[in-house]
Amino acid sequence: EDKVVQSPLSLVVHEGDTVTLNCSYEVTNFRSLLWYKQEKKAPTFLFMLTSSGIEKKSGRLSSILDKKELSSILNITATQTGDSAIYLCATLIQGAQKLVFGQGTRLTINP
Amino acid sequence: DTGVSQNPRHKITKRGQNVTFRCDPISEHNRLYWYRQTLGQGPEFLTYFQNEAQLEKSRLLSDRFSAERPKGSFSTLEIQRTEQGDSAMYLCASSSPFDNEQFFGPGTRLTVL
Repeated sequence: EDKVVQSPLSLVVHEGDTVTLNCSYEVTNFRSLLWYKQEKKAPTFLFMLTSSGIEKKSGRLSSILDKKELSSILNITATQTGDSAIYLCATLIQGAQKLVFGQGTRLTINP
Repeated sequence: DTGVSQNPRHKITKRGQNVTFRCDPISEHNRLYWYRQTLGQGPEFLTYFQNEAQLEKSRLLSDRFSAERPKGSFSTLEIQRTEQGDSAMYLCASSSPFDNEQFFGPGTRLTVL
């Protein structure tokens, strides 16, 4: 069965800290890995990673995929209280359109 | 607002009642997805449409659940004879034929009493 596992499940840091969120996957016919941010509503898209070793960046957020280790990390530097959210990792499988999500990491940034 | 919209945003019902939710995808998106999310978990895939054709269904979609997309635009998800275990956030997403990024709607939160 396809599986995505995120760690930690919960993380509390102070504003200005740097955080690293982890995602590992065991799926057949991997195609892409996606990161979403979920506040009190719908998940919003952050990154899609298909090729190993290529970092995607958007402002203070960056992510990289390691296909050999079947994992990805999401880094957030100089965290702000607005970064507080649940961060979801999901995989897309070849030949299928569904996303398989991890449980999410609940990130809390304290001022 | 040209994003994915869902109605209603909240629904409270009694066990045994039927409920129907609606999703309007982004207009040029031909792919539409339904997911269910319970507290503390990531969304779980329920079903997928390409245009009006329902191409994939999860084992989670019991015979009490039915989804339609009759004209390839909006979609409805109906749950018959609701159970307390159906309480969850029901999310709809859509994507274009050119990339795999799925855009999510705000969800319908269902509470079954």
